[in-house]
Amino acid sequence: GAVVSQHPSWVICKSGTSVKIECRSLDFQATTMFWYRQFPKQSLMLMATSNEGSKATYEQGVEKDKFLINHASLTLSTLTVTSAHPEDSSFYICSASPQAGGGTDTQYFGPGTRLTVL
Amino acid sequence: DAKTTQPPSMDCAEGRAANLPCNHSTISGNEYVYWYRQIHSQGPQYIIHGLKNNETNEMASLIITEDRKSSTLILPHATLRDTAVYYCIVKKDGNEKLTFGTGTRLTIIP
Repeated sequence: GAVVSQHPSWVICKSGTSVKIECRSLDFQATTMFWYRQFPKQSLMLMATSNEGSKATYEQGVEKDKFLINHASLTLSTLTVTSAHPEDSSFYICSASPQAGGGTDTQYFGPGTRLTVL
Repeated sequence: DAKTTQPPSMDCAEGRAANLPCNHSTISGNEYVYWYRQIHSQGPQYIIHGLKNNETNEMASLIITEDRKSSTLILPHATLRDTAVYYCIVKKDGNEKLTFGTGTRLTIIP
């Protein structure tokens, strides 16, 4: 149980184009999902918290107009990197928790999406 | 959330127990200790978590000191597939974000 998937697993795009990454909780519902970014040889950095039915909460320094987050249902959140540039090349990872608040909400992570912008 | 301190790297012989330490001296009463690991180019994998009692599951054991200022993750019989970066994270109750530090890079030696 508690499986999170991401699609695509890797993507290569041209500079200036937009890329959409999907995060799905396969066997549970998640009112909150989290999006992280990881550059080579660095740790995961939280980008934003995605809330079903409401606007995402972005961490300081993350451009909300560049990284569009939509949490359309209790099992799907999407991250769109708009007008991607080479410096956006990174490993993007989502996580979700089966429990909507209260208690110990263990987060489970997707396998990640490697974005390369040429 | 409280900050954690872990050694940057450790080696362990295959088949032996791997003991990974973590210091969290500023942990507060409602913060849990979580352990995740990340194998190269994959998403982090949940291992175990605890509040103040020792915990054990099919993957590992978690030993938390009585004052809760430090903990140890124990992989009882390490295999080559346990080579990964291990993250110790303290997190408040509820559905809150995880703050990742630099973790410990564990290498299992054949």
